[in-house]
Amino acid sequence: KAGVTQTPRYLIKTRGQQVTLSCSPISGHRSVSWYQQTPGQGLQFLFEYFSETQRNKGNFPGRFSGRQFSNSRSEMNVSTLELGDSALYLCASSLGDNSQTQYFGPGTRLLVL
Amino acid sequence: GNSVTQMEGPVTLSEEAFLTINCTYTATGYPSLFWYVQYPGEGLQLLLKATKADDKGSNKGFEATYRKETTSFHLEKGSVQVSDSAVYFCALITGAGSYQLTFGKGTKLSVIP
Repeated sequence: KAGVTQTPRYLIKTRGQQVTLSCSPISGHRSVSWYQQTPGQGLQFLFEYFSETQRNKGNFPGRFSGRQFSNSRSEMNVSTLELGDSALYLCASSLGDNSQTQYFGPGTRLLVL
Repeated sequence: GNSVTQMEGPVTLSEEAFLTINCTYTATGYPSLFWYVQYPGEGLQLLLKATKADDKGSNKGFEATYRKETTSFHLEKGSVQVSDSAVYFCALITGAGSYQLTFGKGTKLSVIP
């Protein structure tokens, strides 16, 4: 079974631009979560989607948004990019049952100049 | 709120040495506890988990026991290998059906031959 895939793997943007990252979960998984990883703040939860609905949201500004499609694929969008948005963005998928086990993708590394 | 504290790294060990990485937590409610590992250039992989007090999670020679009285979940391995070199993250989730992981800062382990 294919793992979680994220595209693109690397991205360079300039301040003020917007960016969209994509995540394809493991087949059959209905929950997708997003995390931001930076050297300073570590791993921080952004949001989680299940069956196209946002179930949980972390403490990030409204510039960070996401959505999930009917095939469980998910996208996250960051508008008006800031230098501090440079990070590794990780997507994780899970069945959505009570096991709480998440499978992570390799991440998208975003550099904002 | 929830928080996880892990021992600061980096940790450098010789092959076949004993490994302990300390992890303590603060949580509202009754958390599930996890250890994730991140190899260079990759996403996170679930190493082991425990969902209730006194449970022992184990995988690939690694073990951790859920200690409610000391709010701890220390990771141990009896004999490390060079291939264990990675960053290890302790994490928790509270709330049934939740997928919002709270992570520690991570501990970088280097194993030398």
